[in-house]
Amino acid sequence: AQTVTQSQPEMSVQEAETVTLSCTYDTSESDYYLFWYKQPPSRQMILVIRQEAYKQQNATENRFSVNFQKAAKSFSLKISDSQLGDAAMYFCAYRSADFGNEKLTFGTGTRLTIIP
Amino acid sequence: GAVVSQHPSRVICKSGTSVKIECRSLDFQATTMFWYRQFPKKSLMLMATSNEGSKATYEQGVEKDKFLINHASLTLSTLTVTSAHPEDSSFYICSGVGERKETQYFGPGTRLLVL
Repeated sequence: AQTVTQSQPEMSVQEAETVTLSCTYDTSESDYYLFWYKQPPSRQMILVIRQEAYKQQNATENRFSVNFQKAAKSFSLKISDSQLGDAAMYFCAYRSADFGNEKLTFGTGTRLTIIP
Repeated sequence: GAVVSQHPSRVICKSGTSVKIECRSLDFQATTMFWYRQFPKKSLMLMATSNEGSKATYEQGVEKDKFLINHASLTLSTLTVTSAHPEDSSFYICSGVGERKETQYFGPGTRLLVL
């Protein structure tokens, strides 16, 4: 079974600075997807970024980028120019690429605080 | 991204009653929907997976007779908590995937309080 580990329960960053959230995972599969979801106080889960394991290039979405290290099974999220609206719980998630197996395995989350 | 709605957003009920939560995909056809439960300050726990027109697949430890899931159309899935008890109080979240099945899109969640 796959597992996802987020070793940082809480992180804080000064507004406009850069912060990196860590995620590691364990799998025996070669093809899969990795995600970062954000859950603000409203509790709505919002997709931040997605990475396909077969792609070597790291995914980027505006101020959000990932450092995907497949051999190390590491998938960290970098948030640049942090904004107050980035304050939220961030969940790393894994999904097999097998058709018919779209279940997500979530990490325990990292609570990000933005300091004005 | 795709939009998923849930109704109601919060519900309070008496112990022993049943509560139905609706999950709708508004701008895509959700061939598969998922139901999660989330306790305060915890991660999401998958309860069941439902495919349109088939019986739901429940995760280990989830009582299928207590948490009834129906996925009658490509845009609607329902979760019915039967004979609710205070320990069923929680935050319930649904999600859906479209035909490409790459990304789950989540509803805003339903807060259930059983008195």
